[in-house]
Amino acid sequence: SQQGEEDPQALSIQEGENATMNCSYKTSINNLQWYRQNSGRGLVHLILIRSNEREKHSGRLRVTLDTSKKSSSLLITASRAADTASYFCATDAFQGGKLIFGQGTELSVKP
Amino acid sequence: DTAVSQTPKYLVTQMGNDKSIKCEQNLGHDTMYWYKQDSKKFLKIMFSYNNKELIINETVPNRFSPKSPDKAHLNLHINSLELGDSAVYFCASSQPYQETQYFGPGTRLLVL
Repeated sequence: SQQGEEDPQALSIQEGENATMNCSYKTSINNLQWYRQNSGRGLVHLILIRSNEREKHSGRLRVTLDTSKKSSSLLITASRAADTASYFCATDAFQGGKLIFGQGTELSVKP
Repeated sequence: DTAVSQTPKYLVTQMGNDKSIKCEQNLGHDTMYWYKQDSKKFLKIMFSYNNKELIINETVPNRFSPKSPDKAHLNLHINSLELGDSAVYFCASSQPYQETQYFGPGTRLLVL
């Protein structure tokens, strides 16, 4: 089974609304990262949260981490049409830089 | 300036052929990776090299052979291509044990 599992698999919202995506994982981690993938493009790193952190912000992004529940959430506030993309969580489990990715949440922001 | 570049962007080939994908990074990173993304967007690591040395080798058929001529390049050679090899292959790089990875634009491989 996968290390990272995300829900929802797809999310459709209106511009200006907030989008929340969740990620669960199975093993102990060093850190958890979120990446964005626009259609037909490579992945872009958004934010990293370490295992000893509970919350982190970057611009309109807010990430939380609950290591007791082995889960994380990504909140995008005041979404824009340009936020339309797939969002992946990835866990770094102390394996020499190996990242294990979830299957992603496909976010659609309608203008 | 492209940080991580891959060639070709698209690759359409017949079953049984041998093909190579090239990756170059100009970030000065020591560690490079190959990932495979399937049609359901599931992304899985295949290999990782640190300063030309193989450090991660996942359960990948030995038809796949990575080669790192120098730390700025990591190429992927695939022998005897099969239909199931159709996917998007991403190269990435990072500093050793630095968590953030920088991805290339991907190579879309279609095996007919």
